[in-house]
Amino acid sequence: SQQGEEDPQALSIQEGENATMNCSYKTSINNLQWYRQNSGRGLVHLILIRSNEREKHSGRLRVTLDTSKKSSSLLITASRAADTASYFCATVVTGANSKLTFGKGITLSVRP
Amino acid sequence: GAVVSQHPSRVICKSGTSVKIECRSLDFQATTMFWYRQFPKQSLMLMATSNEGSKATYEQGVEKDKFLINHASLTLSTLTVTSAHPEDSSFYICSAPWQGSSLNEKLFFGSGTQLSVL
Repeated sequence: SQQGEEDPQALSIQEGENATMNCSYKTSINNLQWYRQNSGRGLVHLILIRSNEREKHSGRLRVTLDTSKKSSSLLITASRAADTASYFCATVVTGANSKLTFGKGITLSVRP
Repeated sequence: GAVVSQHPSRVICKSGTSVKIECRSLDFQATTMFWYRQFPKQSLMLMATSNEGSKATYEQGVEKDKFLINHASLTLSTLTVTSAHPEDSSFYICSAPWQGSSLNEKLFFGSGTQLSVL
């Protein structure tokens, strides 16, 4: 079973609208990261939030972390057509075997 | 930002041949690199961790004789898919952690290699 699972699986919005993507995970984590992947390309790191942080901002991105609910959300404000991509959350599970585990991703389509 | 270069971006080969994929860190040293496999609309599955100067660490279920990994220098790791079969067709991606970060923070990814085995 997936450590991180994103919701929704697909999201289609109009340019200028905000996009909210959610990620839930199962076990305690050291940090949670969000990545973006354009079709047929590698991933690009967007933002990292540590387990002792609740909210972080980076440009038009805002990420929150609720460790009591084991969930995170990524908000993209004022979306642009160029934001169209797949978005993955990835977690580093607490423990010696600190591997980065990815969710299945969310496909975001921003209509011009 | 840091750049990880991966080549080739696309390869088509006949069943039974071997294919080598290169992953280079262009402006930083990477003692560790990660190799992933991704199926369409699926997550990235970690295949192995490549360690400079030592043997790679493979994830459970990944055949080390099938997927040969060599990390001969601080900037280059290679993945060789030996005796490729159609079921090996997939998107392969490498990544490396930034020098100044912990092993699993802020990974830089190559652009991926789409392997198609006929």
